[in-house]
Amino acid sequence: AQSVTQLDSHVSVSEGTPVLLRCNYSSSYSPSLFWYVQHPNKGLQLLLKYTSAATLVKGINGFEAEFKKSETSFHLTKPSAHMSDAAEYFCVVSGGSNYKLTFGKGTLLTVNP
Amino acid sequence: DSGVTQTPKHLITATGQRVTLRCSPRSGDLSVYWYQQSLDQGLQFLIQYYNGEERAKGNILERFSAQQFPDLHSELNLSSLELGDSALYFCASSQYNNEQFFGPGTRLTVL
Repeated sequence: AQSVTQLDSHVSVSEGTPVLLRCNYSSSYSPSLFWYVQHPNKGLQLLLKYTSAATLVKGINGFEAEFKKSETSFHLTKPSAHMSDAAEYFCVVSGGSNYKLTFGKGTLLTVNP
Repeated sequence: DSGVTQTPKHLITATGQRVTLRCSPRSGDLSVYWYQQSLDQGLQFLIQYYNGEERAKGNILERFSAQQFPDLHSELNLSSLELGDSALYFCASSQYNNEQFFGPGTRLTVL
């Protein structure tokens, strides 16, 4: 069994300030973890993934995430927010032979000018 | 552009009707996954096909069914539609690993 908890349903930041979106996971397997982004009326785009290699994962558009097994966390960060980062972000866990993805409920990121 | 295509983009229908959603995976991808995104349930895995065979089932209702054809495209059939079936339906595809690429989705509205 696997599950994901995104600790904040909504995060609001000012442009140019750091972004932190928090995610905790639970998995019976050695998990793979992902962050996906969904812009309004768009599909889901993969930001980054962790698959048991380096614990600090770099993704697209300046985002990165750190896998912390002891804390069962996979928080997403970005040093400086841009207006175009405003979107919904999903933390996702995958495990087992069928690679089924289990999504968190999402965090809506608002970026203020 | 992920390379996954879904048709139609929008679908409006009435309760009790049946609809078919279509998905074409990325070239070379053998696995197709279907997901439902609704306001109250969030994003939920429905079903997975791998090279024409059903591989895994999630929270898929008995009124829903899917199949994957020899050319690897997939169809999701939704029947006896209810108001609560209104949602965004995503298809995703992958090769051998677990990185899934998502299509733009089909927005279904049941009136």
